[in-house]
Amino acid sequence: AQTVTQSQPEMSVQEAETVTLSCTYDTSESNYYLFWYKQPPSRQMILVIRQEAYKQQNATENRFSVNFQKAAKSFSLKISDSQLGDTAMYFCAFMKQSGSEKLVFGKGTKLTVNP
Amino acid sequence: EPEVTQTPSHQVTQMGQEVILRCVPISNHLYFYWYRQILGQKVEFLVSFYNNEISEKSEIFDDQFSVERPDGSNFTLKIRSTKLEDSAMYFCASTREVSGELFFGEGSRLTVL
Repeated sequence: AQTVTQSQPEMSVQEAETVTLSCTYDTSESNYYLFWYKQPPSRQMILVIRQEAYKQQNATENRFSVNFQKAAKSFSLKISDSQLGDTAMYFCAFMKQSGSEKLVFGKGTKLTVNP
Repeated sequence: EPEVTQTPSHQVTQMGQEVILRCVPISNHLYFYWYRQILGQKVEFLVSFYNNEISEKSEIFDDQFSVERPDGSNFTLKIRSTKLEDSAMYFCASTREVSGELFFGEGSRLTVL
């Protein structure tokens, strides 16, 4: 079975600074997807960034980038130039590439961006 | 922008009562899901639904749970006889393709007394 661990329950960062959220996972699969989802207060979860395990290049979406270390089973999220609107719960999630459609989530990291 | 909508946003029920949670997925999506999050715990997969049948379910999704898409738009989760431990936030999600981006609703909070 797959597991996803987010070791930082809460983090805070000053506006315009950079913050890195950690995520590790455990799997015996070779091919899979990794995701970061963001859930702002009282809003739905939205996809921030997605990484295919077969791709060595780290995914990037504007101010959001990941550091994907397949051998170490690590998938951290870096948020550059943090904005007040980045305040949210961030969930790391895993999905097998085949044989299952389910997302396996970590417990989440509550990020607060301070003015 | 299209959204997944869920109703009710909060439901309080007595133990043993039936509950139906409703979801309207995005209209051109083909895959539908229910997840739940018990307070303080991880978001957990319950069930996936494609082509009018369950494609995968977790061990949580026992005989007390059922899903259906009766009219091609609503996607419902029914809990036949609620237990205290069913208290949770229930999230509906949909996507156009497996491994694509999941679009989540805002959730329905169920409180079982």
